Amino acid sequence: AQSVTQLDSHVSVSEGTPVLLRCNYSSSYSPSLFWYVQHPNKGLQLLLKYTSAATLVKGINGFEAEFKKSETSFHLTKPSAHMSDAAEYFCVVSDAGGYNKLIFGAGTRLAVHP
Amino acid sequence: DAGVTQSPTHLIKTRGQHVTLRCSPISGHKSVSWYQQVLGQGPQFIFQYYEKEERGRGNFPDRFSARQFPNYSSELNVNALLLGDSALYLCASSGRERLTDTQYFGPGTRLTVL
Repeated sequence: AQSVTQLDSHVSVSEGTPVLLRCNYSSSYSPSLFWYVQHPNKGLQLLLKYTSAATLVKGINGFEAEFKKSETSFHLTKPSAHMSDAAEYFCVVSDAGGYNKLIFGAGTRLAVHP
Repeated sequence: DAGVTQSPTHLIKTRGQHVTLRCSPISGHKSVSWYQQVLGQGPQFIFQYYEKEERGRGNFPDRFSARQFPNYSSELNVNALLLGDSALYLCASSGRERLTDTQYFGPGTRLTVL
């Protein structure tokens, strides 16, 4: 069965410094992986997705993620944090068992300090 | 194009009551999925409908039911509400071309059960 583990529940960075949010996945298939962001009292916004094309995936707002099969990882990075990046981030794997069920990690809350 | 819309935005019910939540997908999308997000956790899959047929069901009791209409909008019904049903209910649409297309989420309905 597919699953994702987000290794940090909270990450705190200073504005202008790099962001690293860590995610490991477990999948018996070639997975589809996603990062979604959720700002307070808002729905989920797709940041980026990996679907077995290029292993380095570029998303919106300067975020990118690298799929590493040998490490079963899909970490999210951004070179320079902005105050508006403060939000909850979810690593997600798609269950390929016949329909499009998304399996979410527990989330990482990113705080950005001035 | 308008995004996924959900109604109502907020809802307060008492234990034992019934609730109906509504979702309109992005134009052209044929699939609607429902997720429950309890405070502090990642969303959990409830149902997926595609072309008006149930394609997937998560690990939720029979008190939860859903349907999809000919215009691809959807309703989620929850009977005999429990305190633990308090959550943000998210609707996602996908499937302009394929069942496994990327899912786009609405802003959610916040349900509070007293």
